[in-house]
Amino acid sequence: EDKVVQSPLSLVVHEGDTVTLNCSYEVTNFRSLLWYKQEKKAPTFLFMLTSSGIEKKSGRLSSILDKKELSSILNITATQTGDSAIYLCAVLSNYQLIWGAGTKLIIKP
Amino acid sequence: DTGVSQNPRHKITKRGQNVTFRCDPISEHNRLYWYRQTLGQGPEFLTYFQNEAQLEKSRLLSDRFSAERPKGSFSTLEIQRTEQGDSAMYLCASSLAGQLSNQPQHFGDGTRLSIL
Repeated sequence: EDKVVQSPLSLVVHEGDTVTLNCSYEVTNFRSLLWYKQEKKAPTFLFMLTSSGIEKKSGRLSSILDKKELSSILNITATQTGDSAIYLCAVLSNYQLIWGAGTKLIIKP
Repeated sequence: DTGVSQNPRHKITKRGQNVTFRCDPISEHNRLYWYRQTLGQGPEFLTYFQNEAQLEKSRLLSDRFSAERPKGSFSTLEIQRTEQGDSAMYLCASSLAGQLSNQPQHFGDGTRLSIL
């Protein structure tokens, strides 16, 4: 059965800290891995990773895929209170996104 | 606004009633997806369309659920004879699918359904 597992399930850090969120997967017909940020509404797209070892970066956020280890990490440096959200990892298998349960990140001022 | 639009934003109804939600995808997107999300979980796939064709429906989806995308643009999701367990956020997403590339799915703000 296809599955995506994220860790930790929740994380509380202080503003300015750096965090690393993990996503591992067992999926047939892997096509790409996506990271989304979800606050109170719908998930907002962050990154799509298709190739192993190539870091994608957007401001203080970065992510990389390791196809050998079947995993990905999402890094956030110099965290701010606005980074507080649930971070969701999903793997695209054919047409379908298979989702992890998310990491709830809380940034304390 | 050129994002995915969903209506209504909230729906409260009594158990046993029928409800219908609408999704307007990003205009050039040919794929449209419906998901359901409950608290503390990632979105659960319900069904998806490529243009007007419904290509896949989750095996977990009850016969009370039906979705349409008659002209390949907007879509509706209907739930008949609602039950308490149907209470959830219903999310719609769209993407542009091509042979050579995958494009990310972009989500609407969802319709929150509460069954009394």
